[in-house]
Amino acid sequence: SQTIHQWPATLVQPVGSPLSLECTVEGTSNPNLYWYRQAAGRGLQLLFYSVGIGQISSEVPQNLSASRPQDRQFILSSKKLLLSDSGFYLCAWSGMIGANQPQHFGDGTRLSIL
Amino acid sequence: DAKTTQPNSMESNEEEPVHLPCNHSTISGTDYIHWYRQLPSQGPEYVIHGLTSNVNNRMASLAIAEDRKSSTLILHRATLRDAAVYYCILRDGASGSARQLTFGSGTQLTVLP
Repeated sequence: SQTIHQWPATLVQPVGSPLSLECTVEGTSNPNLYWYRQAAGRGLQLLFYSVGIGQISSEVPQNLSASRPQDRQFILSSKKLLLSDSGFYLCAWSGMIGANQPQHFGDGTRLSIL
Repeated sequence: DAKTTQPNSMESNEEEPVHLPCNHSTISGTDYIHWYRQLPSQGPEYVIHGLTSNVNNRMASLAIAEDRKSSTLILHRATLRDAAVYYCILRDGASGSARQLTFGSGTQLTVLP
């Protein structure tokens, strides 16, 4: 069966520091991968999605970047964190992109910026 | 995506069935009805989805009204681990933006022992 791993589970970082969050998927090939942010009491915001290695689409202008160096690895990065980058970051995968395709989420990384 | 309306909260007793309603009166013919749930401090979990016909899987059943303007997620026997926020969302099969999941406020389900 397919599984998705995200780490770390929690992270506290000072303003201006770099960031690297990693997500890996097991048990499937060529997944579509997604990075979301969920602010407290608010809905999901899609940050990036990827349909293949090296293919990244950004949904919103922001201080973050994403990379997909391997088929089942998705990385979220920042060179200099801002206070507004705090939130709950979720990685997800789907078999295809489409309205009838469920997305499967990892357990998330709770990022606090001080 | 068309809007959904759900009760803010519901309670159920453990080991009893739970019927979680969702209204989507402006649903279009190409909208899929999806349900996810989210436990505290965890990522959302896919539960079930359907288009027109009722659907069953190991987690739940989805009953879709004949006019598709409402649906009901059925948990056949609630357990304490089913306590979560349940989100009913519509995803447009005709839209190029089907990659984005958009959650509303959902229904907070409390399961009483």
